[in-house]
Amino acid sequence: AQKVTQAQTEISVVEKEDVTLDCVYETRDTTYYLFWYKQPPSGELVFLIRRNSFDEQNEISGRYSWNFQKSTSSFNFTITASQVVDSAVYFCALRSGATNKLIFGTGTLLAVQP
Amino acid sequence: ETGVTQTPRHLVMGMTNKKSLKCEQHLGHNAMYWYKQSAKKPLELMFVYSLEERVENNSVPSRFSPECPNSSHLFLHLHTLQPEDSALYLCASSPYPRVAGGRGTDTQYFGPGTRLTVL
Repeated sequence: AQKVTQAQTEISVVEKEDVTLDCVYETRDTTYYLFWYKQPPSGELVFLIRRNSFDEQNEISGRYSWNFQKSTSSFNFTITASQVVDSAVYFCALRSGATNKLIFGTGTLLAVQP
Repeated sequence: ETGVTQTPRHLVMGMTNKKSLKCEQHLGHNAMYWYKQSAKKPLELMFVYSLEERVENNSVPSRFSPECPNSSHLFLHLHTLQPEDSALYLCASSPYPRVAGGRGTDTQYFGPGTRLTVL
């Protein structure tokens, strides 16, 4: 069975703090894809990143970085120097290489206080 | 207009009403999806269409009826809903993974959602 766990329900930080959102996944597939999406209060899910299971290189995009570790089945997301505009619900998701079905975690609500 | 659009953004309906949600994608994708997002629950996949054919239906009650007339448009027809159907309904589109050999750019892009309230 496939599963995504985001153990942190809510996180509150003060602006300029760094924050890491955890994501742990379960799958028996050797080929799979991991995603992060951001959902601001407006409701739209905004795509942030896609990684495949064959590429464990960490990625940095501006203030965002992702740490993919197959050994611990984790795909954590770090925001450096957080800003109020980062306040949103963040979802981690998993897709098997054999299907087009996305399995989402329950999301982490990030509140960045000014 | 770009991306994935959904109308209406908000909908209030009675249990005996019939209404439809509309989704349109301008990304040239060939797969479209309906998701339901209820409070405190993970996003639930409802329907998947690829090349206008339904390829997945996750045991959704028949009071939800999808329609995909072409690769750019997706509808969700609603009738005799229950209050527990109140939720955010999200539409998404993507290239169909098999077309891309399973490793292609299958990322799903989402619309802004329709906030549905059933009274």
